[in-house]
Amino acid sequence: DQQVKQNSPSLSVQEGRISILNCDYTNSMFDYFLWYKKYPAEGPTFLISISSIKDKNEDGRFTVFLNKSAKHLSLHIVPSQPGDSAVYFCAAIIGGTSYGKLTFGQGTILTVHP
Amino acid sequence: IAGITQAPTSQILAAGRRMTLRCTQDMRHNAMYWYRQDLGLGLRLIHYSNTAGTTGKGEVPDGYSVSRANTDDFPLTLASAVPSQTSVYFCASSDGPASYGYTFGSGTRLTVV
Repeated sequence: DQQVKQNSPSLSVQEGRISILNCDYTNSMFDYFLWYKKYPAEGPTFLISISSIKDKNEDGRFTVFLNKSAKHLSLHIVPSQPGDSAVYFCAAIIGGTSYGKLTFGQGTILTVHP
Repeated sequence: IAGITQAPTSQILAAGRRMTLRCTQDMRHNAMYWYRQDLGLGLRLIHYSNTAGTTGKGEVPDGYSVSRANTDDFPLTLASAVPSQTSVYFCASSDGPASYGYTFGSGTRLTVV
C-alpha cells in the first residue's frame, strides 16, 4: 500500500517556465513533508520541507504548498533551469520532531529543456 | 569531506551468495537508515538504527539484516541473495529529528543473477 504517491512519472518543462511536481498521501497522521532531489549516480539530497501546521514554505526558487484537506502537496520551481533536471521524491513522516522514518513516493523525473 | 561512504559502488552477485554492503559516516549522526530504490516504487526503508546498539525493521526487511556496533558503521547483509534483491541501495543518516532531512550516500548498485 503506497502511502505517498507521485502519479506523474515524468515532467518536461521549458527553461524559465514553472515546474510543478505533485504528491498525494493517504495517511492523515503524517505531520511533516520533505522534497528530495536526485541526480544520476548520486544519492538523494534534501531540498525543502514543510510542517503540517503550515500551507506554504518558500526557499529561493523553490516553494512547497500543502493542502491538508486534499492530502496533497506540490513543489513549484520558478524559474526552472536545466540544472534542475533530476528525479524529485516527496517524502512524509509521522512525528517529524522525533527519530521517525521517512516514507517516499515513487519519484518524478523532471527534464528542463534549454 | 564529511559524509557517507558506501562500498562497493556496484556488484554483480550470484544468487545464493552472501553479501555485505558497507556504510560508514563521519558526521557522528545518531540515526542511520538503509533504503532500496526500485523503478516505480521509489525508496523503501529496509532497516534503521536510531542509535548505536539498536536496530529496527522497516517496510521491506525480509532477506536483510543489519548491525550497529558503533556510531559510524551500519552494514547491510544479504544472507542468501535472490534476484528480487537486485536494486540500488542507499544508506542515510540523520542528526536529529527526521524533519531535518537525511544525508544519503551515493548508493550501491547490486545485481543478483
